[in-house]
Amino acid sequence: DSGVTQTPKHLITATGQRVTLRCSPRSGDLSVYWYQQSLDQGLQFLIQYYNGEERAKGNILERFSAQQFPDLHSELNLSSLELGDSALYFCASSLTTGQEKLFFGSGTQLSVL
Amino acid sequence: EDQVTQSPEALRLQEGESSSLNCSYTVSGLRGLFWYRQDPGKGPEFLFTLYSAGEEKEKERLKATLTKKESFLHITAPKPEDSATYLCAVQAGSSGSARQLTFGSGTQLTVLP
Repeated sequence: DSGVTQTPKHLITATGQRVTLRCSPRSGDLSVYWYQQSLDQGLQFLIQYYNGEERAKGNILERFSAQQFPDLHSELNLSSLELGDSALYFCASSLTTGQEKLFFGSGTQLSVL
Repeated sequence: EDQVTQSPEALRLQEGESSSLNCSYTVSGLRGLFWYRQDPGKGPEFLFTLYSAGEEKEKERLKATLTKKESFLHITAPKPEDSATYLCAVQAGSSGSARQLTFGSGTQLTVLP
């Protein structure tokens, strides 16, 4: 167990809908990362937050947004969902923004029908 | 743009049959190269970090090495429980910059009893 908790584990929704994925980092970790994993793209970095502030952006679509709350948990919001958004979404955490070792949650499997 | 290429895509070994996985990379200012293990339905699990050419690290039947262009993950006398997808990732960037990981597409290892 990595100590990173992601909910829900599975999510099935329809095109055009909006969903929210939740992540609780390991106790004491200040940095949260979101990754998307699909069969054709592999693990793609989406966005990073450190102590409540956005720190880095990767290949995140404008339809997607995230935030980190004062208690350090994070949410990834996906809107106007398309079939191609179906993927595994992972949250990872680390102690600091420069800490290389990431601890990953078990992911949320999103299926857009 | 940072690039990570892993080979082979898939590898089937008999129990006890040693082999190596390759990770070649192109990055500006390598800060670290990482190996993760991912089991089906789970998030990646950290194995090693290598920082400079010539460095080696070992853990049980696994040994990771690093050159200026590639890294190898050597698996000695593998067991069926070593079956997993092995992911390589690089972290680049200058001091103070956000340093997310760029992942390769992975090598799916199957060890047959």
